[in-house]
Amino acid sequence: DQQVKQNSPSLSVQEGRISILNCDYTNSMFDYFLWYKKYPAEGPTFLISISSIKDKNEDGRFTVFLNKSAKHLSLHIVPSQPGDSAVYFCAASAEDSNYQLIWGAGTKLIIKP
Amino acid sequence: DSGVTQTPKHLITATGQRVTLRCSPRSGDLSVYWYQQSLDQGLQFLIQYYNGEERAKGNILERFSAQQFPDLHSELNLSSLELGDSALYFCASSATGGGYNEQFFGPGTRLTVL
Repeated sequence: DQQVKQNSPSLSVQEGRISILNCDYTNSMFDYFLWYKKYPAEGPTFLISISSIKDKNEDGRFTVFLNKSAKHLSLHIVPSQPGDSAVYFCAASAEDSNYQLIWGAGTKLIIKP
Repeated sequence: DSGVTQTPKHLITATGQRVTLRCSPRSGDLSVYWYQQSLDQGLQFLIQYYNGEERAKGNILERFSAQQFPDLHSELNLSSLELGDSALYFCASSATGGGYNEQFFGPGTRLTVL
């Protein structure tokens, strides 16, 4: 049973446009969500996070939106740059499960010139 | 560079064998996490150690074991290897053992079981 789902295995976006990556979850106890970015042959690197008490968090070109009623979060990248081409993982955690991170399967983002 | 090191980078071995993967956390981090990533899958949490003690267990097989040493480095031991154990194994570290700590990942060890 996948508690965190990233339903798009890949996404192709024109350079300069907005990239929107989506993530759905099933466990209503999740209260902290993170996005990680992964380049080939490297480990994931932390990008941005959001607590369930917020519905939006921004960091430069990256914004994460959380819709608790829909159990959905999204990562917006504006404007998209070639260096953004990577695999993006959504992860979620809950205090009652000792903050263990539950990961989605990832979305491969390709930025086209 | 996350500051987390993993050795070896690649490992090729045969079914039935035993291997040890090594991880050194970032300086000052007390927690170490092990993850497995099979082809095109998300990361599966295996186990967490905090300051030498096991803190949390995920989907870790009985054939796998781990430990964290007094100098805080950690080793993941995989035994009686099967073809399905071929995967990327990541180690991550964080400052503390609980709470919403960002995890910093090493570059991974790619294990191939033939």
